[in-house]
Amino acid sequence: QQQVKQSPQSLIVQKGGIPIINCAYENTAFDYFPWYQQFPGKGPALLIAIRPDVSEKKEGRFTISFNKSAKQFSLHIMDSQPGDSATYFCAASFTGSARQLTFGSGTQLTVLP
Amino acid sequence: GEEVAQTPKHLVRGEGQKAKLYCAPIKGHSYVFWYQQVLKNEFKFLISFQNENVFDETGMPKERFSAKCLPNSPCSLEIQATKLEDSAVYFCASSQSEKGRRFGPGTRLTVT
Repeated sequence: QQQVKQSPQSLIVQKGGIPIINCAYENTAFDYFPWYQQFPGKGPALLIAIRPDVSEKKEGRFTISFNKSAKQFSLHIMDSQPGDSATYFCAASFTGSARQLTFGSGTQLTVLP
Repeated sequence: GEEVAQTPKHLVRGEGQKAKLYCAPIKGHSYVFWYQQVLKNEFKFLISFQNENVFDETGMPKERFSAKCLPNSPCSLEIQATKLEDSAVYFCASSQSEKGRRFGPGTRLTVT
């Protein structure tokens, strides 16, 4: 059973555009929601994360919007650059350093120059 | 160091052979995780450790997969009698906190 659904599967934007990637979760006990960025041949790297007690978090050009009642969260990338071209994964877990992450299926983002 | 090290980078095994993958977590990290990534997406959690103790093994196909994290040794993930469906990239991650979770570069296992 997929507990975190991610869309779209792929996304192409022009440089400077604002790609938006959406995720929906099922388990209301999840309370930590990170986004990871993965380049080809590399492991995923943490980009930004949010907890359900806030509705938005911004770090640099990356913003997470969180809607607890809808059980949805999304990643917005402001002023996107070709270097942002990568696969993005949302994830969810319970609080705690030892807790496993449940990943979404990934979004392949291409930012055209 | 500040990087999770995984060896080998690539591993090719014939169906039915054994495969063993290694992970050196970041020094000072108490938690180690193994994930399987198939077809460049869909991370599947396998097992986690707190130091040398298994913390969560709910994702492990126990009949063929085993893992260890022994003191002063790299952690290992072993697959007995590999199957074609085991072909994937296996990622190890280590952490001391949620924000500090770091993934290694992965080991690509190809079963022929």
